[in-house]
Amino acid sequence: SQTIHQWPATLVQPVGSPLSLECTVEGTSNPNLYWYRQAAGRGLQLLFYSVGIGQISSEVPQNLSASRPQDRQFILSSKKLLLSDSGFYLCAWSSSWTGVEQYFGPGTRLTVT
Amino acid sequence: GENVEQHPSTLSVQEGDSAVIKCTYSDSASNYFPWYKQELGKGPQLIIDIRSNVGEKKDQRIAVTLNKTAKHFSLHITETQPEDSAVYFCAASNDMRFGAGTRLTVKP
Repeated sequence: SQTIHQWPATLVQPVGSPLSLECTVEGTSNPNLYWYRQAAGRGLQLLFYSVGIGQISSEVPQNLSASRPQDRQFILSSKKLLLSDSGFYLCAWSSSWTGVEQYFGPGTRLTVT
Repeated sequence: GENVEQHPSTLSVQEGDSAVIKCTYSDSASNYFPWYKQELGKGPQLIIDIRSNVGEKKDQRIAVTLNKTAKHFSLHITETQPEDSAVYFCAASNDMRFGAGTRLTVKP
């Protein structure tokens, strides 16, 4: 069966510091991968999606970036965090580009202080 | 792109009552409509979905209905239980836009 992992589970970082969040998927190959951000009490905002290694599409302009160095690895990064980057970051995967049946990871709670 | 509206934003029901959450979408080409349940501090979990070739789908106490003409779909939870308390999100393909979520509270 497929599983999706995210780490760290929680992170507290000062403003201006770098960020690296990792997501890995097991039990499937060539998944579509997604990064979402969820502000407190809010809905899901799609940040990035990837249909293959090295292929990244950005949904919103921001100081975040994403990379996919391996088929089942998706990384969310920032060179300098802002207070507004605080939130709950969710990675998800699906087996087709239409986004049918997305499955979410456990999330990373990021607090920028 | 797709625009998904979800309401109500909060819903409180008594245990045993039914709960209904509604979503509307804008892209008539959308053909897949999932519902997710998110418990506090966890990632959303897919609970039920429906495709555009059917009008209703049931899974025990939960059901989803789809009206393609009106471009809206609804989640129905019957015989609600306290463990149904969570935030529920709808979404619509083709680019998986999510609704803003509904916080459901089931009072024992």
